[in-house]
Amino acid sequence: DADVTQTPRNRITKTGKRIMLECSQTKGHDRMYWYRQDPGLGLRLIYYSFDVKDINKGEISDGYSVSRQAQAKFSLSLESAIPNQTALYFCATSDPQLAGGNEQFFGPGTRLTVL
Amino acid sequence: AQSVTQPDIHITVSEGASLELRCNYSYGATPYLFWYVQSPGQGLQLLLKYFSGDTLVQGIKGFEAEFKRSQSSFNLRKPSVHWSDAAEYFCAVGDWKAAGNKLTFGGGTRVLVKP
Repeated sequence: DADVTQTPRNRITKTGKRIMLECSQTKGHDRMYWYRQDPGLGLRLIYYSFDVKDINKGEISDGYSVSRQAQAKFSLSLESAIPNQTALYFCATSDPQLAGGNEQFFGPGTRLTVL
Repeated sequence: AQSVTQPDIHITVSEGASLELRCNYSYGATPYLFWYVQSPGQGLQLLLKYFSGDTLVQGIKGFEAEFKRSQSSFNLRKPSVHWSDAAEYFCAVGDWKAAGNKLTFGGGTRVLVKP
């Protein structure tokens, strides 16, 4: 009964391939986020969306794109994967009524390896 | 711009001993502060949060943290660690004034528990 789910949980792909990571949530939150985690760097924001018609770049958006298909779904795409995109990717949601949207709820993560 | 520093990359502690993880932040106003834990192969779980009020906050799993404005710190403590506390811990600060309510994470502290 996870509130934020991510698929796939693990993916190995080759350089140059297009990859899509999917996130779904049942929390009813309007705001959704994509982060990547690298050792020693914590989590860094890739993209975020405040509603279906709103998409914003985060601090490391180069090489990524996103799609907000519905309130509950937010997908991250790597158009042409490269090895330095190997990382753990997290989706998160927030509700502006909770700490102004600062309290975020995370999915279990997708481990992506680009060979 | 806000920033978060976790000075200790690794900490090793004996089971039953006390634990303190350091977190220093840089932010121009009173921030929203969070501690998350990531167990091996798992996603991020919120341990505790501080928004305002009492500067000593209690969280789950027996953890507590103290906000010290004068030191720009939000250190996490546990009086007696259990083997299951072996994990990576992330401190994060939320910027309630910024578009996107961006969470900025520290680099993480990995805790090893010796029997």
